Amino acid sequence: AQSVTQLDSHVSVSEGTPVLLRCNYSSSYSPSLFWYVQHPNKGLQLLLKYTSAATLVKGINGFEAEFKKSETSFHLTKPSAHMSDAAEYFCVVSLGGTGTASKLTFGTGTRLQVTL
Amino acid sequence: EPEVTQTPSHQVTQMGQEVILRCVPISNHLYFYWYRQILGQKVEFLVSFYNNEISEKSEIFDDQFSVERPDGSNFTLKIRSTKLEDSAMYFCASSDRDRGGGQPQHFGDGTRLSIL
Repeated sequence: AQSVTQLDSHVSVSEGTPVLLRCNYSSSYSPSLFWYVQHPNKGLQLLLKYTSAATLVKGINGFEAEFKKSETSFHLTKPSAHMSDAAEYFCVVSLGGTGTASKLTFGTGTRLQVTL
Repeated sequence: EPEVTQTPSHQVTQMGQEVILRCVPISNHLYFYWYRQILGQKVEFLVSFYNNEISEKSEIFDDQFSVERPDGSNFTLKIRSTKLEDSAMYFCASSDRDRGGGQPQHFGDGTRLSIL
């Protein structure tokens, strides 16, 4: 079984300050982990993925995430928030596996608000 | 960049009617998925599809649901007799072959299905 827990349903930061969105995962096997972002009335866009190569993963738009196996965490960070970062962020886990169609299991989402 | 396209963007249907949601996955992708997101809830896996057959389905995907790849480009989700609780945003996704690195899934913008 696999699951993710997003620890904050809503995070508010000021523009120019750091962003931290927290995620813990549970998986019986070595998981693949992703962060997706959803802007209002838009689809889900991949921010970054972890697939066991490097524990610090860099994504698009200045976001990065660190995989910590000892803490079963995969927190998303950005050094300086921009107004355009305001959106819903989803932490996602997949068991992956060569040649398989692997379903994604989504967290409940964290709504990021960026204020002036 | 290639993308997944979904039509229509919004579908309004009377309860009990059949509805077909359409998706055009990324052309060289091999795996196809449907997810749904009921308003205010998290994204849920419905079904995965590979090599012209269902790979996995969730308990949500009962006999009222079916998927089809009628030609080389389209991937459809049919709900035979819609219920009020089928109202949700439905997302189509596709991914390339997973060579063990955890291929991300690419999502369309979704179809908002409203059942009256």
